[in-house]
Amino acid sequence: QLQLQESGPGLVKPSETLSLTCTVSGGSISSSPYYWGWIRQPPGKGLEWIGTIYYSGTTYYNPSLKSRVTISVDTSKNRFSLKLSSVTAADTAVYYCATPSALSISWYLYWGQGTLVTVSS
Amino acid sequence: QSALTQPPSASGSPGQSVTISCTGTSSDVGGYNYVSWYQQHPGKAPKLMIYEVTKRPSGVPDRFSGSKSGNTASLTVSGLQAEDEADYHCSSYAGSNNLVFGGGTKLTVL
Repeated sequence: QLQLQESGPGLVKPSETLSLTCTVSGGSISSSPYYWGWIRQPPGKGLEWIGTIYYSGTTYYNPSLKSRVTISVDTSKNRFSLKLSSVTAADTAVYYCATPSALSISWYLYWGQGTLVTVSS
Repeated sequence: QSALTQPPSASGSPGQSVTISCTGTSSDVGGYNYVSWYQQHPGKAPKLMIYEVTKRPSGVPDRFSGSKSGNTASLTVSGLQAEDEADYHCSSYAGSNNLVFGGGTKLTVL
């Protein structure tokens, strides 16, 4: 069974770049023709899809975040990453990595535990 | 793309059935059979309960069912149990490799 674990700084200053990594265990990204995604949840609010990456590197982003988001995959380290530039307080949220463990971008079966990122000076 | 519309809250007594709605447009919910529902307990990650409108992942009780009519999808929880008290989020494929979520519904078991 796949397990996902987010890691990265819990505090980021305004205007800087948020960087998170999701390490996958229980399976290999390079041998799994799946999508791997990032979703976030501001405190007390609903979920927001950030984007997803196919194991080969093709990416799809939320249009509202597209200009600031980069998702990449490192198959040698069995992990994928999120970078969100020019952050503001509105980017404060719990960030989740997830995968459907299937060839679909419309649902996510396996989730990381989530990591809270606070944007503050 | 706009968020899908869910009622902020819903409630029911143990043993009863409750239905939570998720309203979108013909560009998302109404246009594709790719609606999903997630259950989220406080401080926990979301758990997939329904995908592709009506399908249940392995291990999800058949008390949970999904449906869709036009631009509105619904999640029905039958035989409510105390552990069903949680937030429920819907999502839908929105075309052009985009995904949109609803604002979430807090389900209270009275």
